Amino acid sequence: QKEVEQDPGPLSVPEGAIVSLNCTYSNSAFQYFMWYRQYSRKGPELLMYTYSSGNKEDGRFTAQVDKSSKYISLFIRDSQPSDSATYLCAMSVGNNDMRFGAGTRLTVKP
Amino acid sequence: GAVVSQHPSRVICKSGTSVKIECRSLDFQATTMFWYRQFPKKSLMLMATSNEGSKATYEQGVEKDKFLINHASLTLSTLTVTSAHPEDSSFYICSARDQQGWRSTYGYTFGSGTRLTVV
Repeated sequence: QKEVEQDPGPLSVPEGAIVSLNCTYSNSAFQYFMWYRQYSRKGPELLMYTYSSGNKEDGRFTAQVDKSSKYISLFIRDSQPSDSATYLCAMSVGNNDMRFGAGTRLTVKP
Repeated sequence: GAVVSQHPSRVICKSGTSVKIECRSLDFQATTMFWYRQFPKKSLMLMATSNEGSKATYEQGVEKDKFLINHASLTLSTLTVTSAHPEDSSFYICSARDQQGWRSTYGYTFGSGTRLTVV
């Protein structure tokens, strides 16, 4: 079993839709949970990070962590074509050893 | 914000030659740098972790003699792919963080990646 599981998609939605991206994990020691956005042929950029369980909101983006279920989500409201990218979840126990999901390729159609 | 500059962005080399990729932190001291490899539609695979002034720690299955990593200063790390072969063709990405890691403003910052094609 992989430490971090993420459905690679692809996922295609119309502009304005609510997007839900998810990851599951097996290592209960993970404490930091991140979402990165990666445009084609670019390095990932950090969107949000959450420490331990709970929700975090930043504009149109909401990150949720459910440690009891080992499940994290990223919601994008009012999705825009500019949101089209690959979204990677990542998690770590401490400051090192960040583990990534496979990434979900999202396309938002105008 | 934190900026990590990675060069070159794209390189094509002949089989058997060596290629050097640079990763620089422009506005913070990168005490730790990470090198990743990414295949198309696949996740980032950590290759090695390097702390400034120390030898890099390689992940299992990564050939340290083939992928030479140098982290001689707090702002520069290099990855040299030695005697490159077509199977080394991939997207290589570095990331850097300062000593505080997640508790700092910079967290993990990624370079823009290098697409290596070995012909």
